Amino acid sequence: GENVEQHPSTLSVQEGDSAVIKCTYSDSASNYFPWYKQELGKRPQLIIDIRSNVGEKKDQRIAVTLNKTAKHFSLHITETQPEDSAVYFCASIPPRDNYGQNFVFGPGTRLSVLP
Amino acid sequence: DVKVTQSSRYLVKRTGEKVFLECVQDMDHENMFWYRQDPGLGLRLIYFSYDVKMKEKGDIPEGYSVSREKKERFSLILESASTNQTSMYLCASSPPSGIGRMDQPQHFGDGTRLSIL
Repeated sequence: GENVEQHPSTLSVQEGDSAVIKCTYSDSASNYFPWYKQELGKRPQLIIDIRSNVGEKKDQRIAVTLNKTAKHFSLHITETQPEDSAVYFCASIPPRDNYGQNFVFGPGTRLSVLP
Repeated sequence: DVKVTQSSRYLVKRTGEKVFLECVQDMDHENMFWYRQDPGLGLRLIYFSYDVKMKEKGDIPEGYSVSREKKERFSLILESASTNQTSMYLCASSPPSGIGRMDQPQHFGDGTRLSIL
């Protein structure tokens, strides 16, 4: 089955710097890759996603890049702010031949943005 | 906006009790999921359901069961609670998927922090 690794497990950056989190997946058939942000005590919330027919997607300060050949995708946050501090989860979703959905999550990255 | 509501934010139960965690979504989603979240282990899937009365085991189903009698409601049941089931439990829902459909993101509830004493 699909396996997702995520690095680093913790990341500290100075406010205004960039942060990059990388995930690798094992199933070459996976075709959907969302990123979730979970602030302390709150629910995970989708921040950006990318499908396998696209190499890059950007939404203001957040971008995701996908390298299908190498089977990895990365989250890029520019001009980080203290409110970006949270745990970030990536997920890889391989296709199913029946109903349902197989979200396979990475273990998470705790990002701390230092003022 | 999708709303996934879990019945309790915090719950304390005793070993051996039967525990029910309830989840309701208001977006008419076919898919519903139960995860547990533990530090360093991320989100692990317990069970999911893709339709009323349909269920499928996830990665860690042992000690749990589920019920989906209505489309909007998905219940997680701990038949005989044990201390190793102390955890944060997250419910999620998503639109229909599989068989040629594009996957859509899952929407999460606020979670239930369950303590088994």
